[in-house]
Amino acid sequence: GAVVSQHPSRVICKSGTSVKIECRSLDFQATTMFWYRQFPKQSLMLMATSNEGSKATYEQGVEKDKFLINHASLTLSTLTVTSAHPEDSSFYICSARDSSGRSTDTQYFGPGTRLTVL
Amino acid sequence: AQTVTQSQPEMSVQEAETVTLSCTYDTSENNYYLFWYKQPPSRQMILVIRQEAYKQQNATENRFSVNFQKAAKSFSLKISDSQLGDTAMYFCAFMKTQGGSEKLVFGKGTKLTVNP
Repeated sequence: GAVVSQHPSRVICKSGTSVKIECRSLDFQATTMFWYRQFPKQSLMLMATSNEGSKATYEQGVEKDKFLINHASLTLSTLTVTSAHPEDSSFYICSARDSSGRSTDTQYFGPGTRLTVL
Repeated sequence: AQTVTQSQPEMSVQEAETVTLSCTYDTSENNYYLFWYKQPPSRQMILVIRQEAYKQQNATENRFSVNFQKAAKSFSLKISDSQLGDTAMYFCAFMKTQGGSEKLVFGKGTKLTVNP
């Protein structure tokens, strides 16, 4: 149980294009999902908190117009990197908080998406 | 603000032996959760163990156990009978249970290598 999927696992795009990453909780409901960025050999950096049916909350220094987050259902959140640049190349990880009562307040993580912007 | 400190950037252990990873944290909260996550080379973050601060009993999950010292704000992870598959980055994390913010605050991680 408590599986989170993320798609795509890898994406290569040209500079200036937009890329959408999906995060799904497969066997539980998640009113809250989180998006992280991880640089090589570093810890996870929280980018934003995504709440179902409302606007995402962004961490300081994260451009909300560049990293668009939509949490349209209890099992799906999307992160769109708009007008991507090479410096956006990174490993993006989502997590979902189990709000179904089974193990509340625990975050389960997706497998991550490797984004490379050429 | 909460902070989590993992003072051991790298550790190694022989297969079948026991290793302890250190974690300390700083908070003024009384109610919170503590977690250990494992990130193997696949980069999938996997929950290893979770501890509620109000529980005095240390959490255990098979070969994994914690030593939770609330007064000292210490939360170490002990891995018994280490296996090659335990090779990974281990992250200690803190989360408040009240106040609306459910963010995980991570330490910088400890890279554990299990040697055959």
